Amino acid sequence: QVQLVESGGGVVQPGRSLRLSCAASGFIFSSYAMHWVRQSPDKGLEWVALISFNGDNKYYAESVRGRFTISRDNSNNTLYLQMNSLRPEDTAIFYCVRTFGGTYFSAFDYWGQGILVTVSA
Amino acid sequence: EIVLTQSPATLSVSPGERATLSCRASQSVSTNLAWYKQKPGQAPRLLIYGASTRATGIPARFSGGGSGTEFTLTISSLQSEDFAVYYCQHYNNWPPYTFGQGTKLEIK
Repeated sequence: QVQLVESGGGVVQPGRSLRLSCAASGFIFSSYAMHWVRQSPDKGLEWVALISFNGDNKYYAESVRGRFTISRDNSNNTLYLQMNSLRPEDTAIFYCVRTFGGTYFSAFDYWGQGILVTVSA
Repeated sequence: EIVLTQSPATLSVSPGERATLSCRASQSVSTNLAWYKQKPGQAPRLLIYGASTRATGIPARFSGGGSGTEFTLTISSLQSEDFAVYYCQHYNNWPPYTFGQGTKLEIK
């Protein structure tokens, strides 16, 4: 069965960095584009970033562009999100998400359990 | 950016009754729209994609409709496990992909 397990969250001070990881299993990871989506009480569900199946193409929400970097290691079935210059408004639960059918024009069919990131002094 | 507006914000319905939730897009998304269900402490779960196709394992009491800018999610006979928050999301003109603000379906 498809499993997505996030790790690396926690409490961090404003301006610092954090790297999230997502371990994927139960499917051919290298065949699927993957996303990060976050959720907070203030902003609801917010798409953060997308990476193509082979890592060649990356897309970001305006709110994180230039601060966050999405990447993947297909040999280890792992998705990453490097978050720099963190702000209090980045506080959210972050989800690792698979694209349905592997393409960009598709819904999000599997979600990890989520990992909490808190940015606070 | 495409804005998705869901209505109502909260819907109170009795078990066994029908519930209809709405999602309006600020511009056409064709049928590139999905619906998700989220229970407290859980991740969202895909219910409907392509505006009207049920995802794997989703019961037939869930149905989606619409195209362009107006969409509905109907639950024909509410079960206890259906009371949750429902979100619509488009995957048409991206980035960004956007979500509606959610409709909370509560027991009347």
